[in-house]
Amino acid sequence: GNSVTQMEGPVTLSEEAFLTINCTYTATGYPSLFWYVQYPGEGLQLLLKATKADDKGSNKGFEATYRKETTSFHLEKGSVQVSDSAVYFCALVFSGGYNKLIFGAGTRLAVHP
Amino acid sequence: DSGVTQTPKHLITATGQRVTLRCSPRSGDLSVYWYQQSLDQGLQFLIQYYNGEERAKGNILERFSAQQFPDLHSELNLSSLELGDSALYFCASSVGRGQGYNSPLHFGNGTRLTVT
Repeated sequence: GNSVTQMEGPVTLSEEAFLTINCTYTATGYPSLFWYVQYPGEGLQLLLKATKADDKGSNKGFEATYRKETTSFHLEKGSVQVSDSAVYFCALVFSGGYNKLIFGAGTRLAVHP
Repeated sequence: DSGVTQTPKHLITATGQRVTLRCSPRSGDLSVYWYQQSLDQGLQFLIQYYNGEERAKGNILERFSAQQFPDLHSELNLSSLELGDSALYFCASSVGRGQGYNSPLHFGNGTRLTVT
């Protein structure tokens, strides 16, 4: 079946460090891929998305590239801030007809000053 | 602000009771989704309504039910509550029938349910 696997957290970094959160997927076909972020006490927000192989989604300094050959969509940021502390969810969905987002388990990021 | 409003923010109740959670979707969105988020099971899709009709079911228990009203707001009813039902319940909305690339989800801030 279709699934999303994320690296386990928590990920703990110092401010201005480089961030990578790994996400790989298993899917029959070519899904669209998303990263959602959940700040403390809030719901999930769409962070970025990509719809086909080699597409790069970017927002707020975060980037992720859709890699079909490795079925991955790793989230990266060159210099994290304390305000980036949150839980990050990778997700996939198939376009057309009925479709349902499939979420990963989430990865908690804690950034220290 | 996502534009999705959920009430109440917190709810504390006893086992065996029944509660109703309310959601107003973002203006213009026709789909409403309910999710349950718990520490042990992560984010679980419960049910989706589109323009008043049930569109998809996920891992929703028989003790739970939902509906979407003509004004598009939705309610999630949880009955015969058990300790294990304690969780964050999120409502999300989207403009289309599905959750595709061009119809991303917009989440509310959730209702935290505590069953004692």
